[in-house]
Amino acid sequence: KNEVEQSPQNLTAQEGEFITINCSYSVGISALHWLQQHPGGGIVSLFMLSSGKKKHGRLIATINIQEKHSSLHITASHPRDSAVYICAVVPLSGYALNFGKGTSLLVTP
Amino acid sequence: NAGVTQTPKFQVLKTGQSMTLQCAQDMNHEYMSWYRQDPGMGLRLIHYSVGAGITDQGEVPNGYNVSRSTTEDFPLRLLSAAPSQTSVYFCASSSPGHLTDTQYFGPGTRLTVL
Repeated sequence: KNEVEQSPQNLTAQEGEFITINCSYSVGISALHWLQQHPGGGIVSLFMLSSGKKKHGRLIATINIQEKHSSLHITASHPRDSAVYICAVVPLSGYALNFGKGTSLLVTP
Repeated sequence: NAGVTQTPKFQVLKTGQSMTLQCAQDMNHEYMSWYRQDPGMGLRLIHYSVGAGITDQGEVPNGYNVSRSTTEDFPLRLLSAAPSQTSVYFCASSSPGHLTDTQYFGPGTRLTVL
């Protein structure tokens, strides 16, 4: 079972700040997902990456397969971005997603 | 489309009781899965299915059963509830690339076992 490590575990930022959340994993993967979970809420898929970079609005996700690392960036952060961000990988030999423990983000006005 | 629906939203059981958590999707997805989410831990796979009539165990299957008689429905049965099964349960679906495609999650069921 590969390990998926996210950093930081908790993050507080002021509105407008640029935010970076990191995800590292230890084995070969075919893809990586970034998910968002609001307090008490369901889980929403943000990105699925197998290489390079993707952008959606103020969110940018990058992945370096060789270095086994992905980042999620939020530009011009807003209080509504406050949520838990979860990284999940698809192992090359696996049948299931392996999840990180999540990064809890609080954006204050 | 309603997406992925789960019922009930909340449930309290006594130790030893049985119940079924319902999950349905209207997107004609082949891959469906059940996860549990516990504080301080990542989501963990309980069971999954790659199509009607096909199910398999995930990381934490003990105490749970599943069946997949139709593409739309994937119920999770707790056979004899234990306090260790207190958790939030999420159902998810995806297609056509299964794990390398967008994952759609239900709203979750918060289960407490006393």
